[in-house]
Amino acid sequence: GQSLEQPSEVTAVEGAIVQINCTYQTSGFYGLSWYQQHDGGAPTFLSYNALDGLEETGRFSSFLSRSDSYGYLLLQELQMKDSASYFCAVRMGNSGAGSYQLTFGKGTKLSVIP
Amino acid sequence: EAGVVQSPRYKIIEKKQPVAFWCNPISGHNTLYWYRQNLGQGPELLIRYENEEAVDDSQLPKDRFSAERLKGVDSTLKIQPAELGDSAVYLCASSPTPAAYEQYFGPGTRLTVT
Repeated sequence: GQSLEQPSEVTAVEGAIVQINCTYQTSGFYGLSWYQQHDGGAPTFLSYNALDGLEETGRFSSFLSRSDSYGYLLLQELQMKDSASYFCAVRMGNSGAGSYQLTFGKGTKLSVIP
Repeated sequence: EAGVVQSPRYKIIEKKQPVAFWCNPISGHNTLYWYRQNLGQGPELLIRYENEEAVDDSQLPKDRFSAERLKGVDSTLKIQPAELGDSAVYLCASSPTPAAYEQYFGPGTRLTVT
């Protein structure tokens, strides 16, 4: 089977930097995605890492270490609007068939305080 | 570009009643997903379509759940009869191809079974 672990809650101050970790155990791993979801809203895609290393998109960065089955999402210059739940999701599947699926973690609720 | 559209947004029914959810994916997206999200949890895949074919329905409780995607565009997810434990948010997502790593989610239908 597969499992993902991420902290359930994180609190950080506006303007600060926060890191949300994700560890996973799975077979057929192809990559790690991150999604943001505001209360009552739709999950929205933030980033995807297929290879080891850091991917940067504006204030958000995501890191993957395949050998450690570990990744993190880094949010810089936190804003109040960043208060949301953040989900890591492993991408698994069958490259030969060209089909994949996502398995999501339970999410980390980020609260940004003034 | 219009996003994924779902209706209704909210539904309250009594147990043992039937209920149906409708999803219109982003135009041109061949792959459609139905997820269920329980409170405080990440989305869990119920079924995945490639065009009109259900290619992964291993997590769909087939005794009471059914889905269809006629003509490979809109999709309907049905529960009959509903149980108290079915209360959740039902999310629809789409992607251009099965290999695309970004999924686009709709706002979901929040189902309450009383």
